[in-house]
Order: sequence, then C-alpha cells, then structure tokens
Amino acid sequence: DAKTTQPPSMDCAEGRAANLPCNHSTISGNEYVYWYRQIHSQGPQYIIHGLKNNETNEMASLIITEDRKSSTLILPHATLRDTAVYYCIVVVETSGSRLTFGEGTQLTVNP
Amino acid sequence: GAGVSQSPSNKVTEKGKDVELRCDPISGHTALYWYRQSLGQGLEFLIYFQGNSAPDKSGLPSDRFSAERTGGSVSTLTIQRTQQEDSAVYLCASSFIGGITGELFFGEGSRLTVL
Repeated sequence: DAKTTQPPSMDCAEGRAANLPCNHSTISGNEYVYWYRQIHSQGPQYIIHGLKNNETNEMASLIITEDRKSSTLILPHATLRDTAVYYCIVVVETSGSRLTFGEGTQLTVNP
Repeated sequence: GAGVSQSPSNKVTEKGKDVELRCDPISGHTALYWYRQSLGQGLEFLIYFQGNSAPDKSGLPSDRFSAERTGGSVSTLTIQRTQQEDSAVYLCASSFIGGITGELFFGEGSRLTVL
C-alpha cells in the first residue's frame, strides 16, 4: 500500500473549517483514500473514503486532487468534539483489506 | 449489541502469566481484525479473520501470540508468558464483506498492563 504523509499536528478554532492535508504521491490507480479518526481513549472511527471524485457525507468532505497525489479532509464547522488524531490511509479495496495506520494528524479544536 | 464489544476493558497481569482477550464483532460481520496500540504509538496490525480462518496472521509479533475465531463470530486473542513490552491497548474491528471494504468498526479496546 502507498505511504502517506500528514502534518503531525494542527489547530483550528471552533466553528471554523478544519482542512487536513494528506500526501500520497505514490498512490496506485486501484488504491482508495480512506480517512479515520481516533478520539482519545476510543477506537478509530471511519469518516469517509474516495477513489478519484470528491466525496461528501454527514461528517466531512474529501477533496482528491486530479493527479490523486494528495487529498484534503474538510470538517466544515469544527467542534470541540472533533479534537482527535486523524489518519489518512490508502489501500487497495479488496476483501480483507488490511488498513495500515500511520502517525496521523493531531487536530486540536480550540474554543 | 450494536457495536463491537471487547472484554476485559482493562487487564493488569504479572509478567509470565497468560492472558485472553475477547472480541464480539457486529452480528453478520464476517471479517474480523486485531490491532494493538502501544502508548503514544499508531495502530499495529496483528491478524485478520475471514469467517473462522485467518488468511493473514503476518502481524503477530511472536509465537506467544495466537488468535482463534469460532462460529464465525467471537474471537479470542491469547498472549502466553506475557512480557512488559506486550503492554498496549488491543483493538478489535469487524467489517461486512459486501459493504464498504475499508470501513472497519472498532471496539473500545482492551488495555493490557504487564507488571
């Protein structure tokens, strides 16, 4: 699976949009981009995923560049409860896909 | 229950003792994963089950670690002769084959402390 690079930490003001970048310059054509988050002392939680098109759900939006070498997770109106470690993962979507979690980005939402 | 259930939530044991950690996946989820997370570290893959078989057990760190799954449901991770470096949170996840393949549902984890 392709390696991802994320900034170790980011801050965001409550109510503002949080834009979390991820670099995956070695991504292959059949690899998807997944985002998870892990709130302190909890198990990771799936947020969103995509292949090449931008995606949106009730939690977030995922913007993938046209060359697919990077992506951005957008939390449109961050709240204090969004403080967590956010993981960007690229994986071939096959049965039993093993997710390889890197170090992620510690997002801190400040009041 | 609605989510992945793990027990015990906390376990303190002495070095050299054996421990068993249990995972109850979401009903109907055929895929089950074990990960571990040491203090301040990322998640480390241990083993993957499809039904009762384990096609990928490449992440088990040593032969002291074993896991089984029965009836395509409950899984048990066993650590024999525990060492201090085994101290970590052990996370179980399940997923539905046929759904979003990479969407894993994680439990709250079992925190293991080896004294």
